[in-house]
Amino acid sequence: AQSVTQLGSHVSVSEGALVLLRCNYSSSVPPYLFWYVQYPNQGLQLLLKYTSAATLVKGINGFEAEFKKSETSFHLTKPSAHMSDAAEYFCAVSVEAGTALIFGKGTTLSVSS
Amino acid sequence: DAEITQSPRHKITETGRQVTLACHQTWNHNNMFWYRQDLGHGLRLIHYSYGVQDTNKGEVSDGYSVSRSNTEDLPLTLESAASSQTSVYFCASSESGRGTDTQYFGPGTRLTVL
Repeated sequence: AQSVTQLGSHVSVSEGALVLLRCNYSSSVPPYLFWYVQYPNQGLQLLLKYTSAATLVKGINGFEAEFKKSETSFHLTKPSAHMSDAAEYFCAVSVEAGTALIFGKGTTLSVSS
Repeated sequence: DAEITQSPRHKITETGRQVTLACHQTWNHNNMFWYRQDLGHGLRLIHYSYGVQDTNKGEVSDGYSVSRSNTEDLPLTLESAASSQTSVYFCASSESGRGTDTQYFGPGTRLTVL
């Protein structure tokens, strides 16, 4: 079975600082990994996804994530935080069989000026 | 533009009542999903469908049902609403059954059961 663990339910950074949101996965077969963002009172939208091509994946709004098989990790980073990045971020895993996504519990990112 | 809509956006109901939440997508996607979002739990899968007349149970399906009579719609029914079903419900769709597919989410329905 697959699972996802997001370390830290709440991360606070200053505007302009590095953003690092942590995600570790567990899967007995090669996984596909996703990061979704949820702005207040909205649905989720895809930031980026790893589908076994390049291990460094670039997404929207300057975010990127690196798939590290040896560490079973898929951490999300952004070099310089912006106030508009404040949102909840979800890491999710799926496998080739096409079952629905398995989500982590989410990390709320706060950005202060 | 293609989209996925949910209605109502907010609903208050009483314990024991039957409630149906609507989900409609214009992507012409085969796959549709229902999740519930609760603080500290993230999103959990309730039911999903890979096509017309196909439905499957997810992680937290007890007390919920779905039916798929066409490609565009997957209504979620709470047979007898309970306070534990107070939550935010999200519908999503994806093109096919591949694990690499992006899921597209609706705006959510906030359900309160009193």
